[in-house]
Amino acid sequence: EDKVVQSPLSLVVHEGDTVTLNCSYEVTNFRSLLWYKQEKKAPTFLFMLTSSGIEKKSGRLSSILDKKELFSILNITATQTGDSAIYLCAQSPNAGGTSYGKLTFGQGTILTVHP
Amino acid sequence: NAGVTQTPKFQVLKTGQSMTLQCAQDMNHEYMSWYRQDPGMGLRLIHYSVGAGITDQGEVPNGYNVSRSTTEDFPLRLLSAAPSQTSVYFCASRNRGENQPQHFGDGTRLSIL
Repeated sequence: EDKVVQSPLSLVVHEGDTVTLNCSYEVTNFRSLLWYKQEKKAPTFLFMLTSSGIEKKSGRLSSILDKKELFSILNITATQTGDSAIYLCAQSPNAGGTSYGKLTFGQGTILTVHP
Repeated sequence: NAGVTQTPKFQVLKTGQSMTLQCAQDMNHEYMSWYRQDPGMGLRLIHYSVGAGITDQGEVPNGYNVSRSTTEDFPLRLLSAAPSQTSVYFCASRNRGENQPQHFGDGTRLSIL
């Protein structure tokens, strides 16, 4: 059974701190790993990672995948109060076309950034 | 620029009642999915569809039915609501093709008394 585990489950930091969120996975057929940010409503897409060692970057956020060790990290530098959210990690399987509607999510990391 | 639209946003039901959560997308996406989100458990897949007329079960399908008569709509039906189905429900869609991310609606918060 496919499984995604995130750590820590919650994190409290102050503005300006750098945080690292972890995501490990066990999947039968891996295709891609995705990161989402969820504030009050819908999860919004951050990154999709398919290849090991290639960093994806968007502003203060970056992410990288290690397919050998089966994990990914999401880094946020110089955190701001607007970064407070639940960060979700999910994996998409490679099991043929019918798998494309499926994502397996981790529990999420609740990040709180204090001023 | 609607994207994925879910209705209603909130609903309270009594045990045993039935209802349909609506989901519509205007991006011509072939793939659509329903998830439920419970505290400490992330999002879990209920049912998904890879095109009109084609649906399949996800991780937690019991108690829910779906159908996909058009590309745009993917309703989720609760035939006999139970308190264990109290949750936040998200609909998502994505385009065909490799490495396409899913886009989520704003969710329906459902309480079963």
